[in-house]
Amino acid sequence: AQKVTQAQTEISVVEKEDVTLDCVYETRDTTYYLFWYKQPPSGELVFLIRRNSFDEQNEISGRYSWNFQKSTSSFNFTITASQVVDSAVYFCALGFLTGNQFYFGTGTSLTVIP
Amino acid sequence: NAGVTQTPKFQVLKTGQSMTLQCAQDMNHNSMYWYRQDPGMGLRLIYYSASEGTTDKGEVPNGYNVSRLNKREFSLRLESAAPSQTSVYFCASSETGRATGELFFGEGSRLTVL
Repeated sequence: AQKVTQAQTEISVVEKEDVTLDCVYETRDTTYYLFWYKQPPSGELVFLIRRNSFDEQNEISGRYSWNFQKSTSSFNFTITASQVVDSAVYFCALGFLTGNQFYFGTGTSLTVIP
Repeated sequence: NAGVTQTPKFQVLKTGQSMTLQCAQDMNHNSMYWYRQDPGMGLRLIYYSASEGTTDKGEVPNGYNVSRLNKREFSLRLESAAPSQTSVYFCASSETGRATGELFFGEGSRLTVL
């Protein structure tokens, strides 16, 4: 079965703190893709990153970084020096080459307090 | 760049009424999707279409029908709306084939069924 678990339902941090959002996935497929999306209060869904199962390199983009570990089936997302604009719901998702389906976690609501 | 456009953005229906949500993408993507988003449940797939002329059920298809009119357009129809269908609906598209691209989402349609 394919499944994505985001165990953190809500997180609050004070501005400038670092925060890590956890994502654990389940699949028996060897080829898959992992994604993170951001949904700000305005409601749109914004793509942040895609990673395929053969690329375990961590990635950094500005204040954002992603840690992909196949050994623990995790794809965690860290925001460094958080800002109020980072307040949003963040979704982790799992996708496949066949079947054309994407599986989403239930999301983590991040509130950054000024 | 319009990306994915869905209409209407807001709709209020009475129980038993019907309506169609329209979606169009201008990115020449093969695959299109309809999701619903409910509090605490993340994004759940209603139907998807891997290519023009094909549609498949997702996780929560009951009470919905879809039509992939052409490569650009993918509509979602509620034949007899029920209060349980009150939700935010997102249309999305992606490029699939040799690799699975990220989902591009529309802005969402907020539907209330009274």
